Amino acid sequence: AQKITQTQPGMFVQEKEAVTLDCTYDTSDPSYGLFWYKQPSSGEMIFLIYQGSYDQQNATEGRYSLNFQKARKSANLVISASQLGDSAMYFCAMREIASGAGSYQLTFGKGTKLSVIP
Amino acid sequence: DAGVTQSPTHLIKTRGQHVTLRCSPISGHKSVSWYQQVLGQGPQFIFQYYEKEERGRGNFPDRFSARQFPNYSSELNVNALLLGDSALYLCASSLYPRDTEAFFGQGTRLTVV
Repeated sequence: AQKITQTQPGMFVQEKEAVTLDCTYDTSDPSYGLFWYKQPSSGEMIFLIYQGSYDQQNATEGRYSLNFQKARKSANLVISASQLGDSAMYFCAMREIASGAGSYQLTFGKGTKLSVIP
Repeated sequence: DAGVTQSPTHLIKTRGQHVTLRCSPISGHKSVSWYQQVLGQGPQFIFQYYEKEERGRGNFPDRFSARQFPNYSSELNVNALLLGDSALYLCASSLYPRDTEAFFGQGTRLTVV
C-alpha cells in the first residue's frame, strides 16, 4: 500500500484564486512529520511547509497553509492567491524511520502538477 | 548563505561505467541524504549520512554506495551503470536526521546510454 497518496495528477487554478492539493498518508508510527515541496521544471525541490504529528495548530508559511486532519490522515496543502510562478509539481512527503538507528527518510507521493492560468 | 550545491548538474554515461556525484550541504548541516527521482515519479530514498556515518539505506542494489567527508560534504557512487539508473539524483541536507526542515540541491541529471 502506498504510504503517501496524491490523487490529483494535475490541477488548474485561475491566477489569484486559492487551490487545495490533496495528500493522504499511512503510518503506524505516532511520531512523524509531513512536508510539502515544490519542484519547478528546473528540478530543484523547494521546501514549502512542515507539520509535525504532535503539532496542535495547522502550519502556515506565507501563502501556504497545511490543512492537517490527523484522524483522517490527510495533510492537504492550500495555496492562497495563486501566482503564475506557482506553476510546478508539488510533492507531499512523510518523514519516517529508515533502516538504520537514528535514521529517517522522506517518503514521497507521486506529485500533483499545478498549472496557474492567467 | 549558499544552499545545497550538487555537481555536476548534468552528465551522460555509458552502460557499465562508474559515476560519482557530489553534494555540499548547507553550512552547519551535518546530515546528508540522497534520493533518486525517475521521470514522472516522486524521489526515492537511497542513503542517509550523519556525522560521517551511514545511518540509513533504502532499497537499492550494492552498486550504489556513498560516503560523507569530515567537512560533511558527500559523494554518491554508482557502479556498473544500467539504463534504469537514468534519473535525477537529489541531495538533501538538514541539521539533524530528524529535523523540521530538509533542503534539497538542484540535482544531478544522469543519463545512461
